[in-house]
Amino acid sequence: DIQLTQSPSTLSASMGDTVTITCRASQTVYTWLAWYQQKPGKAPKLLIYQASTLESGVPSRFSGSGSGTEFALTITSLQPDDFATYYCHQYQSLSSFGQGTKLEIK
Amino acid sequence: EAQLVESGGGLVQPGRSLGLSCVASGFTFEDYAMHWVRQAPGKGLEWVSGISWKSGTIDYAESVKGRFTISRDNAKKALYLEMNSLTTEDMALYYCVKDGRVRGFSNALDLWGQGTMVTVSS
Repeated sequence: DIQLTQSPSTLSASMGDTVTITCRASQTVYTWLAWYQQKPGKAPKLLIYQASTLESGVPSRFSGSGSGTEFALTITSLQPDDFATYYCHQYQSLSSFGQGTKLEIK
Repeated sequence: EAQLVESGGGLVQPGRSLGLSCVASGFTFEDYAMHWVRQAPGKGLEWVSGISWKSGTIDYAESVKGRFTISRDNAKKALYLEMNSLTTEDMALYYCVKDGRVRGFSNALDLWGQGTMVTVSS
């Protein structure tokens, strides 16, 4: 099974900041990696797939990068709506998710 | 508008069975693999099972293999999950989720239902 480790687990930031969340895979997933945003009481929402492709309708302040075992989600110019929990997801071998990163307002 | 609506959750005793259903609308259901993903209260996401568009490929997480059965009825645009020998570890919100690629199997998940809660308790 492929394990995904996200860091940090919690991130405090202010509106307007730029933040980066990283996701490390236990073995290569090539670019078969996605990122999701989840708000309390809501279903996850797909943000990025294939490591760096922005899902339709997702603001351009979200970007993804990486390949192999190291990936990153960067959010520039944080907006109030961005404070949520973020998950990475590999689909190279079945599916597995990172443990999540909670983005909090500082 | 594409939509997934789950049902069937509820309170069940340990060791008993429960069946979940999901009905799709707003997209060509028969063209997409479908998955179940669960989330225990206050915890992260866990992929549970997936089924390809024609049911030719089916996979399960190790944690549910041999106890859960996924199936689909394309004519009814419905996805199912039969869960047997439930334990407290299975208590979670179960999401029905659409695969993101036509006739693929393991891809990014681009449409999620609102989930149905399964509570396992005596």
